[in-house]
Amino acid sequence: DAGVIQSPRHEVTEMGQEVTLRCKPISGHDYLFWYRQTMMRGLELLIYFNNNVPIDDSGMPEDRFSAKMPNASFSTLKIQPSEPRDSAVYFCASSLTVNSPLHFGNGTRLTVT
Amino acid sequence: QKEVEQNSGPLSVPEGAIASLNCTYSDRGSQSFFWYRQYSGKSPELIMFIYSNGDKEDGRFTAQLNKASQYVSLLIRDSQPSDSATYLCAVNSGLPYGQNFVFGPGTRLSVLP
Repeated sequence: DAGVIQSPRHEVTEMGQEVTLRCKPISGHDYLFWYRQTMMRGLELLIYFNNNVPIDDSGMPEDRFSAKMPNASFSTLKIQPSEPRDSAVYFCASSLTVNSPLHFGNGTRLTVT
Repeated sequence: QKEVEQNSGPLSVPEGAIASLNCTYSDRGSQSFFWYRQYSGKSPELIMFIYSNGDKEDGRFTAQLNKASQYVSLLIRDSQPSDSATYLCAVNSGLPYGQNFVFGPGTRLSVLP
């Protein structure tokens, strides 16, 4: 299996622009998680899906952030408008069941200037 | 908000020694526990997981769980310089709703040759 695939690997954008991060989970995994990692706040859970349905989005920082999972093989995390404080590494991870280990993608490093 | 605590380190040990990493969690109902290793600039990779009280060994790694004390630890025997990384503890409720896979801030381990 190719593992969890994220794109792009790096994204540099200007404040106010829309940013879309993409994720393809491992085939057959029912759970998909989005995390944000910064030096100050560590690895923060933003939102997770079970069978394409959002289960808990209490970690989404504000309305500028939205996530969708239109089908079992694709998810997006969108930031609109982006701000410099959104600069971080965003990870997508998937798991087979709710108790199975997470498998992480390589992450997207976002820089907002 | 569920919390997972770890000593941030850095924890420095000489090559060949035992490294002991600790983690405490706030949610008494947590069901599954994971240790991830993260090298600088890379994504977290699974080291071990444990579901039941007691010890679980895998090669040089031993995970220990004490649910009554809400404590989980990772021992690394015969530490090698290649073990130098940040170790993340993750705690999971195991329920198909609410917060899942909450990570601690990580402990930075440095193994000195």
